[in-house]
Amino acid sequence: GAGVSQTPSNKVTEKGKYVELRCDPISGHTALYWYRQSLGQGPEFLIYFQGTGAADDSGLPNDRFFAVRPEGSVSTLKIQRTERGDSAVYLCASSPGFYQYNEQFFGPGTRLTVL
Amino acid sequence: DQQVKQNSPSLSVQEGRISILNCDYTNSMFDYFLWYKKYPAEGPTFLISISSIKDKNEDGRFTVFLNKSAKHLSLHIVPSQPGDSAVYFCAASAHQGGSEKLVFGKGTKLTVNP
Repeated sequence: GAGVSQTPSNKVTEKGKYVELRCDPISGHTALYWYRQSLGQGPEFLIYFQGTGAADDSGLPNDRFFAVRPEGSVSTLKIQRTERGDSAVYLCASSPGFYQYNEQFFGPGTRLTVL
Repeated sequence: DQQVKQNSPSLSVQEGRISILNCDYTNSMFDYFLWYKKYPAEGPTFLISISSIKDKNEDGRFTVFLNKSAKHLSLHIVPSQPGDSAVYFCAASAHQGGSEKLVFGKGTKLTVNP
């Protein structure tokens, strides 16, 4: 099982609660991405890590969303004070990060439902 | 403002025939284009890519064509097989500034009928 893994696969929470979503990238991949996919839409970019640092967080919708990657491997996406509009599939992807052009390898996603 | 557009939400073809999926983009800074396939309840799976210095890339039954002047790319699947039935996403990235974030279209649902 050398692919990207995400936990949990499903998360149901109540409006206003805090949630954490975890991503385990492919071993050795330095680049890690979070995307969000709503029904009928393509994935939308949230944040990109190169190593431990967030190189591009321009897709985070507001300050309720935060992500970390403290050791340059596993990443956690954190959502505070969840709202019903946060319901979506959250996808994580990784890539080698050192070629000029890199395809991204996606995990199965975490389906978040905010009641 | 959609920078990557897939104008056909669905496409149905007969097994053995050619499937052609289309994608248009507006951002002239995009220099790398990818196609992903997605089955229900799974993450997108990388299929094929092309950089902006090429106009064609082929991998087995899959060929991607890029027309930069028209800002258009297409994915050809020949011959189509029932297992190809899935949602296909076109994606693009621009390498200015170091970020390789992908911008996706809304997807085209391909159904290949036996």
